Amino acid sequence: AQSVTQPDIHITVSEGASLELRCNYSYGATPYLFWYVQSPGQGLQLLLKYFSGDTLVQGIKGFEAEFKRSQSSFNLRKPSVHWSDAAEYFCAVVTSGYALNFGKGTSLLVTP
Amino acid sequence: DAGITQSPRHKVTETGTPVTLRCHQTENHRYMYWYRQDPGHGLRLIHYSYGVKDTDKGEVSDGYSVSRSKTEDFLLTLESATSSQTSVYFCAAGSLQTYEQYFGPGTRLTVT
Repeated sequence: AQSVTQPDIHITVSEGASLELRCNYSYGATPYLFWYVQSPGQGLQLLLKYFSGDTLVQGIKGFEAEFKRSQSSFNLRKPSVHWSDAAEYFCAVVTSGYALNFGKGTSLLVTP
Repeated sequence: DAGITQSPRHKVTETGTPVTLRCHQTENHRYMYWYRQDPGHGLRLIHYSYGVKDTDKGEVSDGYSVSRSKTEDFLLTLESATSSQTSVYFCAAGSLQTYEQYFGPGTRLTVT
């Protein structure tokens, strides 16, 4: 079955620094990939998605992600992190029944 | 958020009691999903529905049942709650055009 792995459980970055969150997928064909963000005590908000075409996708809040088939990766990036970006980030892939198979998440801490 | 609401938002119940969580959508999406979120596990699919009275199991379906008698409502039932079912439960509705899923605010269930 299609699955994703997020290797980093926690990441700490300084405010203003760049950010990259890793996501590796397991699927033979082109996967449908998503990044969601969850602020503390909140639901999930879609940041961006990739289905096909341009491998660099832009999302909301200044985030982008790049699909790399050769590395089976879909890493999330942001050039300059703000304190409000502190949250849990989930990578997900569409699986059977159009459901989402989520990674275990990466918790982002932003320091002053 | 595609008008996804969940009720109740918080519930504390005792082991062995039945519990029903309700999800309501206003956008007429055909597909609906129930996930549970636990620390270190991300979100895992419990059950999903692909139409009225059409449902299927997900990864962690044991101990749960679902029903969908109307397009807008998707119910999750714990027939006899156990402490291992203490979790945050998220409902989602999906667009077949974009594969995006829209999440409700979640229900925090505690089984004592």
